[in-house]
Amino acid sequence: DAGITQSPRHKVTETGTPVTLRCHQTENHRYMYWYRQDPGHGLRLIHYSYGVKDTDKGEVSDGYSVSRSKTEDFLLTLESATSSQTSVYFCANGLTWDTEAFFGQGTRLTVV
Amino acid sequence: AQSVTQLGSHVSVSEGALVLLRCNYSSSVPPYLFWYVQYPNQGLQLLLKYTSAATLVKGINGFEAEFKKSETSFHLTKPSAHMSDAAEYFCAVSAKGGSEKLVFGKGMKLTVNP
Repeated sequence: DAGITQSPRHKVTETGTPVTLRCHQTENHRYMYWYRQDPGHGLRLIHYSYGVKDTDKGEVSDGYSVSRSKTEDFLLTLESATSSQTSVYFCANGLTWDTEAFFGQGTRLTVV
Repeated sequence: AQSVTQLGSHVSVSEGALVLLRCNYSSSVPPYLFWYVQYPNQGLQLLLKYTSAATLVKGINGFEAEFKKSETSFHLTKPSAHMSDAAEYFCAVSAKGGSEKLVFGKGMKLTVNP
């Protein structure tokens, strides 16, 4: 996992509640990404960060926000969880000329 | 913009048989290409990557892939499947250079039958 840990690993939450997933990294990666994985869709980019307090949207950003107040922590928030956000969420560092893209172990989120 | 196509969602082979997983890409710039493997309830692990050096790339666990620009393909092969190869495989593309996101295909679940 190259120093990328996600928490929690599993969560069940109710529709309409806010949820925050945490991605913690110890390798000082500048670029970090949040993906969601769904059957038949592969991994799709939700949001990404290119530095502290610098973030941007991916292809499936509706209903999600992110924050990065320090390099090592990249938070993904579901503002009001819906059943369509039931998924497995992965955090990864950005690919660079000298760094592979490594993935965390994932967070399995179920919205009931 | 980049995209990846993995046709089909499942492939089944017998133990010892050839594994062939197809990947076609589209990229407006020279691409980096990757294959990742995901075992059940785990994250993604890099199998191999193409970054414009040799067109035939060897990876871990006996897998290899060949970059064919004329066919915009990067198919993954392994001469002899093992039971331990059962997993989901993802092809991904990234723009060459800089800090770039990966764009993934939809994945291919490989089943290996005894």
